[in-house]
Amino acid sequence: AQTVTQSQPEMSVQEAETVTLSCTYDTSESDYYLFWYKQPPSRQMILVIRQEAYKQQNATENRFSVNFQKAAKSFSLKISDSQLGDAAMYFCAYRSAGGSEKLVFGKGTKLTVNP
Amino acid sequence: NAGVTQTPKFRILKIGQSMTLQCAQDMNHNYMYWYRQDPGMGLKLIYYSVGAGITDKGEVPNGYNVSRSTTEDFPLRLELAAPSQTSVYFCASSPRGGLTNEKLFFGSGTQLSVL
Repeated sequence: AQTVTQSQPEMSVQEAETVTLSCTYDTSESDYYLFWYKQPPSRQMILVIRQEAYKQQNATENRFSVNFQKAAKSFSLKISDSQLGDAAMYFCAYRSAGGSEKLVFGKGTKLTVNP
Repeated sequence: NAGVTQTPKFRILKIGQSMTLQCAQDMNHNYMYWYRQDPGMGLKLIYYSVGAGITDKGEVPNGYNVSRSTTEDFPLRLELAAPSQTSVYFCASSPRGGLTNEKLFFGSGTQLSVL
């Protein structure tokens, strides 16, 4: 079974600075999808960024980018120019590309942004 | 466009009571999901549906039942509430499900306490 590990329960960053959230996963599959979801205090989960395992190029979405290391099974999220609105829980998630409907989530990292 | 709507937002149940968590989406999505989020944990899949009339078990289905009579609605039934079912419940939907890397659209959750 696949597992997702987020080793940083909490992180903090100064406004306008850069922060990196870590995620590692365990799988024997070669084709899969990886996601970062944000959960603000409102509770609603929002997709931040996604990566297909077959793509070598790291995904970027505005201030958000990932460092995808397939051999190391690592999928870290970098947030540049942090804003107060980035404060939230961030969840890393894995989904098999074989048609599985299950998203496997990590336990999350709570990000605090200090003004 | 309302997206995914969950009701109620909060509920307290006594042990042994039953209730139905409602979920409705207005995006004409075929795939719908129920996840639960325990404190300090990531989300775990309870049940999912790939279309009206079709449902299947996820990772943690015991103690729950679902039905999908229409594309829009996907209610989750708790028959005999137990303290272990204290959690935040999220409903989600997507157009094409696990065959793609597309994101899930989440509701804002139902916080359930069983005392």
